[in-house]
Amino acid sequence: DAKTTQPNSMESNEEEPVHLPCNHSTISGTDYIHWYRQLPSQGPEYVIHGLTSNVNNRMASLAIAEDRKSSTLILHRATLRDAAVYYCIPSTSGTYKYIFGTGTRLKVLA
Amino acid sequence: DTGVSQDPRHKITKRGQNVTFRCDPISEHNRLYWYRQTLGQGPEFLTYFQNEAQLEKSRLLSDRFSAERPKGSFSTLEIQRTEQGDSAMYLCASSLGSGEHYGYTFGSGTRLTVV
Repeated sequence: DAKTTQPNSMESNEEEPVHLPCNHSTISGTDYIHWYRQLPSQGPEYVIHGLTSNVNNRMASLAIAEDRKSSTLILHRATLRDAAVYYCIPSTSGTYKYIFGTGTRLKVLA
Repeated sequence: DTGVSQDPRHKITKRGQNVTFRCDPISEHNRLYWYRQTLGQGPEFLTYFQNEAQLEKSRLLSDRFSAERPKGSFSTLEIQRTEQGDSAMYLCASSLGSGEHYGYTFGSGTRLTVV
């Protein structure tokens, strides 16, 4: 399983963009990169995932480095409701379990 | 569909007692997972079902733990002879297939406190 490195914590001002980095230098060629977030007292929530090219959805964008050794989750306008722990999880196609790290705790300042 | 439901939300038990948690997945999801999360850590994989078959159990799942998914619908996780180290949040998730396209849907968890 690929190992990940994420900052323990980050802060952002409300309505500003946030870039959450993740290093996954041991990722294999078939590993997808998944991002989940966990709000206080909730289970993790799917945010986005991708394989090689950048991805966008209504929640966020995922920018994947060309060598795939790192990726960045982009929240275009942070809101107070985005305060959560964000997990970056490489996983092999068809796998059935995720290996969570400790994630990045995002604090959003009003 | 209201997502993945877990019951109870909180459980306080005395050391040595048995406890059972229930998870109701999204109805069309064929895969169901149990995870455990302690304070400050990410969730850790415990076990996985495809339909009614339990296909993998983590070494974290000692012989005091047992999980079932009769008829491939809801699942139960039982802990026998609870210990203080079992205090954690127990999370259930479900997915349609491997979850590549829509991800996993997690419940809100059952928080267990062993006193």
